[in-house]
Amino acid sequence: GAVVSQHPSRVICKSGTSVKIECRSLDFQATTMFWYRQFPKKSLMLMATSNEGSKATYEQGVEKDKFLINHASLTLSTLTVTSAHPEDSSFYICSAGKAVNTNEQFFGPGTRLTVL
Amino acid sequence: AQTVTQSQPEMSVQEAETVTLSCTYDTSESDYYLFWYKQPPSRQMILVIRQEAYKQQNATENRFSVNFQKAAKSFSLKISDSQLGDAAMYFCAYRSAWENGNQFYFGTGTSLTVIP
Repeated sequence: GAVVSQHPSRVICKSGTSVKIECRSLDFQATTMFWYRQFPKKSLMLMATSNEGSKATYEQGVEKDKFLINHASLTLSTLTVTSAHPEDSSFYICSAGKAVNTNEQFFGPGTRLTVL
Repeated sequence: AQTVTQSQPEMSVQEAETVTLSCTYDTSESDYYLFWYKQPPSRQMILVIRQEAYKQQNATENRFSVNFQKAAKSFSLKISDSQLGDAAMYFCAYRSAWENGNQFYFGTGTSLTVIP
């Protein structure tokens, strides 16, 4: 199989704090991982592409200094929301492919972030 | 950038009946992949079916089948013998077949209700 986990599944934090979300490929190596943001009843919006050992590629309009992405190994990528504010509250989903040119992505279960 | 359009925000179907979800896309590429993903209330994205653009034969997975019309850039999903567990958001997605084009483009989704 191809399982992707995310931790935590839910997090509530105070405004101004930073939150780290982990995305792990449990049974395969992922050269590339993707981070999405999803608002209620909306589609997935790609935030950034995370490549192991190199800097992430951010989509237009996504603040790279606010959403820090680190892909330190072939099985782990992290998204850190720095100085979170209520408008950052959302559902964050990661996905991973088994190889650079895979034609399928495997999705994590998502993380619900609530900033008070 | 490629665009994916799902013109039906909401659909409903009677249990055991058949329903078709529509999807159109815009691309100048000749080789690509198309997907249908299901997102139930748990928010976990689940791959339903995929189609390679170079294949003329429509993909089928048990009760799920697609009608792929390459010239029309149309990729509809047919669910036969609908079951209560089919109720979910359905997203159509596009991915380029080029080596560096592993980004997925998602449609806005169709919310499917199954009526007992």
